[in-house]
Amino acid sequence: SAVISQKPSRDICQRGTSLTIQCQVDSQVTMMFWYRQQPGQSLTLIATANQGSEATYESGFVIDKFPISRPNLTFSTLTVSNMSPEDSSIYLCSVAGTEMSYEQYFGPGTRLTVT
Amino acid sequence: AQTVTQSQPEMSVQEAETVTLSCTYDTSESDYYLFWYKQPPSRQMILVIRQEAYKQQNATENRFSVNFQKAAKSFSLKISDSQLGDAAMYFCAYRRWATSGSRLTFGEGTQLTVNP
Repeated sequence: SAVISQKPSRDICQRGTSLTIQCQVDSQVTMMFWYRQQPGQSLTLIATANQGSEATYESGFVIDKFPISRPNLTFSTLTVSNMSPEDSSIYLCSVAGTEMSYEQYFGPGTRLTVT
Repeated sequence: AQTVTQSQPEMSVQEAETVTLSCTYDTSESDYYLFWYKQPPSRQMILVIRQEAYKQQNATENRFSVNFQKAAKSFSLKISDSQLGDAAMYFCAYRRWATSGSRLTFGEGTQLTVNP
């Protein structure tokens, strides 16, 4: 299994500012995923990040709003840019091991509140 | 595109009783994975059980078991001898079999309450 940590665990931010969320994994992983969970709702995939390539964004999510970095096989960041109250959500990092691994592990999430 | 539907927003069960959570999905693929995840108030997503579509035998993990009906595209979760610690949001999820695109597609979730 993989142990994932996220920083910060929670934050309250002013609208118009940006926040960068860090995801650290205790082992090397191929694929990392960033999900958003709006209040009382399910998880929605924002993007998939592979090391050494540009992140792949899902429909409705754009790089200018959610830039992602993946500098190595154990670390990734997600930035929420120019925030508005609608960005208030839990943001979760998830990893899969090998390409054929069925298992996906999740970080503890970052609870973001935008005022 | 694959979709996952959980038609029960909320369920409740008495401690020590059995409860079944429903999930249906839509896919045109023949090979895939299905999962049940649990999310307690701590927000941590915890894998409860998984099922490979090619396996006819239903998966079991201690008090948790599934009823996988591939033709009906149904994947329900049965929790036996419910415990207070089982109270959480439960999400059904689908994953393609392919080596790439191992993203998860989640259902809307079912909030399970366990009454003492």
